Amino acid sequence: NAGVTQTPKFQVLKTGQSMTLQCAQDMNHNSMYWYRQDPGMGLRLIYYSASEGTTDKGEVPNGYNVSRLNKREFSLRLESAAPSQTSVYFCASSGRDAYGYTFGSGTRLTVV
Amino acid sequence: GEDVEQSLFLSVREGDSSVINCTYTDSSSTYLYWYKQEPGAGLQLLTYIFSNMDMKQDQRLTVLLNKKDKHLSLRIADTQTGDSAIYFCAARSGGYQKVTFGTGTKLQVIP
Repeated sequence: NAGVTQTPKFQVLKTGQSMTLQCAQDMNHNSMYWYRQDPGMGLRLIYYSASEGTTDKGEVPNGYNVSRLNKREFSLRLESAAPSQTSVYFCASSGRDAYGYTFGSGTRLTVV
Repeated sequence: GEDVEQSLFLSVREGDSSVINCTYTDSSSTYLYWYKQEPGAGLQLLTYIFSNMDMKQDQRLTVLLNKKDKHLSLRIADTQTGDSAIYFCAARSGGYQKVTFGTGTKLQVIP
């Protein structure tokens, strides 16, 4: 019962470098999400994908791009990392029901 | 848009009850959730309540909803050290993608 799997768990980047955060779910959920968590600010939605083939901006999309590769996978790309993108990133998924989201264990990203 | 607010910190003694409070702004919120986050982990859904309910009980957890005041609370009975975590309130308004999270309340349980 893997649920939502995120890779990598930790990453250090230099300013200007690029990277892709990977997320996969095995629950046949239609919707997937990327959040960032910063101290005192809770969770902020970066992008979401309501269903395979669609993506939409959330609250804080600037500096990020996403790809919904198939129903299982939703990746987040930082094209040119900035120190302000130092954060913990969570992927989540949900089905068409009331039962909330299932979260991955997070990626702790530091940009120096 | 929806705004969800929580106090940042709560400290209780082991064996006491904990009450974590949350307020939200969108009166059309349909589902309200409580999530738990342990150190270094993702958020885990604890429980949820539909907006036409006043109360929901699940073992040591009791959720109370005052829809008029847009106030949600989570009561943990007989709090244990393993309950130490950050607790997030979340409100869903509109579609299932429109879930807003609070900033989280860090619960510290003193042995």
